[in-house]
Amino acid sequence: KAGVTQTPRYLIKTRGQQVTLSCSPISGHRSVSWYQQTPGQGLQFLFEYFSETQRNKGNFPGRFSGRQFSNSRSEMNVSTLELGDSALYLCASSGTGVYNEQFFGPGTRLTVL
Amino acid sequence: GENVEQHPSTLSVQEGDSAVIKCTYSDSASNYFPWYKQELGKGPQLIIDIRSNVGEKKDQRIAVTLNKTAKHFSLHITETQPEDSAVYFCAAGVSGGYQKVTFGTGTKLQVIP
Repeated sequence: KAGVTQTPRYLIKTRGQQVTLSCSPISGHRSVSWYQQTPGQGLQFLFEYFSETQRNKGNFPGRFSGRQFSNSRSEMNVSTLELGDSALYLCASSGTGVYNEQFFGPGTRLTVL
Repeated sequence: GENVEQHPSTLSVQEGDSAVIKCTYSDSASNYFPWYKQELGKGPQLIIDIRSNVGEKKDQRIAVTLNKTAKHFSLHITETQPEDSAVYFCAAGVSGGYQKVTFGTGTKLQVIP
């Protein structure tokens, strides 16, 4: 079974630009969560999508948004990039059991210059 | 919301020794406590988890303990090997219909051959 894939793996942008990251979950998984990982803040939850609906949201500004498609693939968008948005963005997919193990992708390394 | 504290932030042990990482959480409603291992250039990978109806769980060289009264849980790695070197994250959350676990800040474990 193929794992979680994320594209692109590396991205360099400048302040003010916007960026879209993509995540393909494990086949059959309908929940996709996004996390931001930085050395100072650790792993911070951004949002979770299930069946094309945002089910949960972390404490990030509205510049961070996402969506999920009918095939469970998800995209995350960050508008008006700031230097502080430089981070590793991780996507995790999970099934529908009571205790849902999350399977993480390798992440997209975003650098904002 | 949930707050998870993790200690120590770095840990060096000799190969063959044991390593212990401790976490505390704040939300008494949390009932799911996964531990993740993150190797360089990869996303976190679940290595073991424990649910609130269990006090201890063991999987080969890895064990977790949970004290719900004190709101703390620990990861124990015995007979450490160089390949155990990685960053370990604890997390706490509520199981069920949505995914939202709060991660600790991570422990960088170095196993010295």
